Amino acid sequence: QSVLTQPPSVSGAPGQRVTISCTGSSSNIGAGYDVHWYQQLPGTAPKLLIYGNSNRPSGVPDRFSGSKSGTSASLAITGLQAEDEADYYCQSYDSSLSGRGVFGTGTKVTVL
Amino acid sequence: QVQLVQSGAEVKKPGASVKVSCKVSGYTLTELSMHWVRQAPGKGLEWMGGFDPEDGETIYAQKFQGRVTMTEDTSTDTAYMELSSLRSEDTAVYYCATLRPANWFDPWGQGTLVTVSS
Repeated sequence: QSVLTQPPSVSGAPGQRVTISCTGSSSNIGAGYDVHWYQQLPGTAPKLLIYGNSNRPSGVPDRFSGSKSGTSASLAITGLQAEDEADYYCQSYDSSLSGRGVFGTGTKVTVL
Repeated sequence: QVQLVQSGAEVKKPGASVKVSCKVSGYTLTELSMHWVRQAPGKGLEWMGGFDPEDGETIYAQKFQGRVTMTEDTSTDTAYMELSSLRSEDTAVYYCATLRPANWFDPWGQGTLVTVSS
């Protein structure tokens, strides 16, 4: 059972803006730990999309942006494109658990 | 640039063990913190464990303690994850991934499907 909660699915038409929330608690996001985001296209391994709450690795389009506030974080996709249809996961660190890999429950983005 | 290449798919019977490998190129394994994450069919990502650079030791998620062993062969820059006492619920794709100093995973291996079936 994950300690980071995401909506199971979000959808939008091409060109629209969608957001994905990642809700944690005072032992992870609320404790100041950074949030990272991954994109997983069908049948492939996860790929780093956002690191350190709001930073994009080289090659990631600026349509993707991240933010963090309090015990939650968000991923926004603006100008939604068909190739953005994928699963998205947030990840952080939790001080009450032994280990570094606390993942969110995952969100399926569907482009209508 | 780090690249991770994993071993091929495995089919195992309940009660058996499986050992998955992850070959590193572009860097040496000693420069990296290797971790393992699995994903059951249609499910989310589940962290299993890996090398903690702060403690200097390998740590395991509580769920897998006693059943998983993660090792490294620095002569070949290959990491291994062995899971024992397999059951059907262990059917999943197993990924190796490099933990960066600020706690994100990048890059990931391509994944290894382990099927547990009688």
